[in-house]
Amino acid sequence: QVQLVQSGPEVKKPGTAMRVSCKASGGTFSNIAITWVRQAPGQGLEWMGGIIPSFGTTNYAPKFHGRVTITADASTATAHMEMSSLSSEDTAIYFCARDHCSGGSCYWLDPWGQGTLVVVSS
Amino acid sequence: QSVLTQPPSVSGAPGQRVTISCTGTNSNIGAGYDVHWYQQIPGTAPKLLVYGNNNRPSGVRDRFSGSKSGTSASLTITGLQAEDEADYYCQSYDSSLRGSGVFGGGTRLTVL
Repeated sequence: QVQLVQSGPEVKKPGTAMRVSCKASGGTFSNIAITWVRQAPGQGLEWMGGIIPSFGTTNYAPKFHGRVTITADASTATAHMEMSSLSSEDTAIYFCARDHCSGGSCYWLDPWGQGTLVVVSS
Repeated sequence: QSVLTQPPSVSGAPGQRVTISCTGTNSNIGAGYDVHWYQQIPGTAPKLLVYGNNNRPSGVRDRFSGSKSGTSASLTITGLQAEDEADYYCQSYDSSLRGSGVFGGGTRLTVL
């Protein structure tokens, strides 16, 4: 049974970059597609993008394309999400989740990591 | 503004039945993409409730059921219990957004 454990909370200055990690266990990492979702305080869920290691492909929501980079390190079974040019609007809880994919198409998210709070403040 | 539209809130008394709608367009639900539902208790990570429109993962009670028709989907909860009080989100994919995933804005369920 796949479990996802994320890195700890961070405080960042505006204009800087952040990196959140998501370590997978309980499965073959190359078969585990990971998607990132964020949730601003008091707001709903927002799809950011994902990676399918077995295909070596990434897919980003248009809003985040060019500012977010998602990678996967098979040697540590860890996915990373990097976001640049941070502003206060990026203050949110960032979740990773296993994306159930088949033949290059993806479907539902399960399980989810515990979430990582990132606060962007001067 | 979320791509999928959900009512902000619904409520019901214990034992009652409630339905949460999720309305999309011809580029997402109407294009044939499946709809999935998540339950989020405040302060915790979302949990998969229904996948592939009407399938329940192991461990999810049969009080929860999903359906899809045309450009809309719905989640029905029967026999409401206090523990069902949470936020519920629908999710699908959208061909007009580079095929990325999309969520509804979420619905807060209050058990009266």
